[in-house]
Amino acid sequence: AQSVAQPEDQVNVAEGNPLTVKCTYSVSGNPYLFWYVQYPNRGLQFLLKYITGDNLVKGSYGFEAEFNKSQTSFHLKKPSALVSDSALYFCAVRDMDSNYQLIWGAGTKLIIKP
Amino acid sequence: EAGVTQSPTHLIKTRGQQATLRCSPISGHTSVYWYQQALGLGLQFLLWYDEGEERNRGNFPPRFSGRQFPNYSSELNVNALELEDSALYLCASSLAGGPVADTQYFGPGTRLTVL
Repeated sequence: AQSVAQPEDQVNVAEGNPLTVKCTYSVSGNPYLFWYVQYPNRGLQFLLKYITGDNLVKGSYGFEAEFNKSQTSFHLKKPSALVSDSALYFCAVRDMDSNYQLIWGAGTKLIIKP
Repeated sequence: EAGVTQSPTHLIKTRGQQATLRCSPISGHTSVYWYQQALGLGLQFLLWYDEGEERNRGNFPPRFSGRQFPNYSSELNVNALELEDSALYLCASSLAGGPVADTQYFGPGTRLTVL
């Protein structure tokens, strides 16, 4: 079965420092991977996705993610964190076995301290 | 371009009642997805509609049902409400479901509280 894991419930980063939010996946074929962000009491906002091609994917708000096939990872990164980046981040993988639904990670709470 | 809209924003019901939640997709999107996000939990897939048909269903009891209208808007019905149904219900839409990896775009959600 396809799955996605976000090993950290919470990540704390000082403003201005680089940030990484981790995501690993397990799929039987080629993965389709997504990152979303959720601000308090709001819906999810799409950040970026990997379908094929360049392993480094650039997305909204200065975020990027690196696809690593050998490590089955798709970590979200940003070179310099902002306090406004504080939110809940979700990684998702397309499930090619279950009618192509998105399988979601549990989410990682990112806290950026001034 | 308008995003996904959901109504109502908040809904308060009592146990045993029925709740109806509504969703309007982005113009041109034919697929609509419903998710439940209970407090402290991730997203749980509920239902997927495409071209008016239910295409897939998550692991929820039959009292969770819905439909998609000819204009691609959708409603989610929850019958015989239970306390544990209290959650944020999110609707998303995409250009097409299936093997094409179209991005899902989410609405702001409906906060359902069951007393």
